[in-house]
Amino acid sequence: QKEVEQNSGPLSVPEGAIASLNCTYSDRVSQSFFWYRQYSGKSPELIMSIYSNGDKEDGRFTAQLNKASQYVSLLIRDSQPSDSATYLCAVNIGGSYIPTFGRGTSLIVHP
Amino acid sequence: DAGVIQSPRHEVTEMGQEVTLRCKPISGHDYLFWYRQTMMRGLELLIYFNNNVPIDDSGMPEDRFSAKMPNASFSTLKIQPSEPRDSAVYFCASSYHQGAGTEAFFGQGTRLTVV
Repeated sequence: QKEVEQNSGPLSVPEGAIASLNCTYSDRVSQSFFWYRQYSGKSPELIMSIYSNGDKEDGRFTAQLNKASQYVSLLIRDSQPSDSATYLCAVNIGGSYIPTFGRGTSLIVHP
Repeated sequence: DAGVIQSPRHEVTEMGQEVTLRCKPISGHDYLFWYRQTMMRGLELLIYFNNNVPIDDSGMPEDRFSAKMPNASFSTLKIQPSEPRDSAVYFCASSYHQGAGTEAFFGQGTRLTVV
């Protein structure tokens, strides 16, 4: 089993809709979780971090964490074409300070 | 701060040649990571340093790969000799250990093509 798993997509949503991106991880002691956005040909850019169970909101983005289910998600409200990118989930596995990345989910927001 | 700075941005080299990638982390950060990204394998951790000391190089694919961090503001990743299968985007990232808040920030990457 891979340590951090994401559906590769692509996930296609219409402009203005909510995009829901999901990630599961294998190690129960993991404490730190991150979402990165990567545009084609660019480097990963941190958009959200979450450390506690529940929801964390930042503008149009909401990260959700459920440690019991080993599941972290990212919701993007009012999706825009400029949100089209690959979204990478990263987990500091085993309580370390070392991010392990999923393969990423490609999001396409069509007008 | 200017962020993590990598050079060169692009490198094209012939098989068998030595390649050196360079990274300047964010000032004050105590962790430095080298990742490689390919379509087939995604973003893989090659090696990381803590306070300039290499901690885990288990991700380095072969002895042809080596990395150094002679001081807190500079690191290199060297491939000698290079092979076509080394073609990928290599990212350097850095972070600061402060409790659980250890977000890693990436450089712009070096796109390596070995022909």
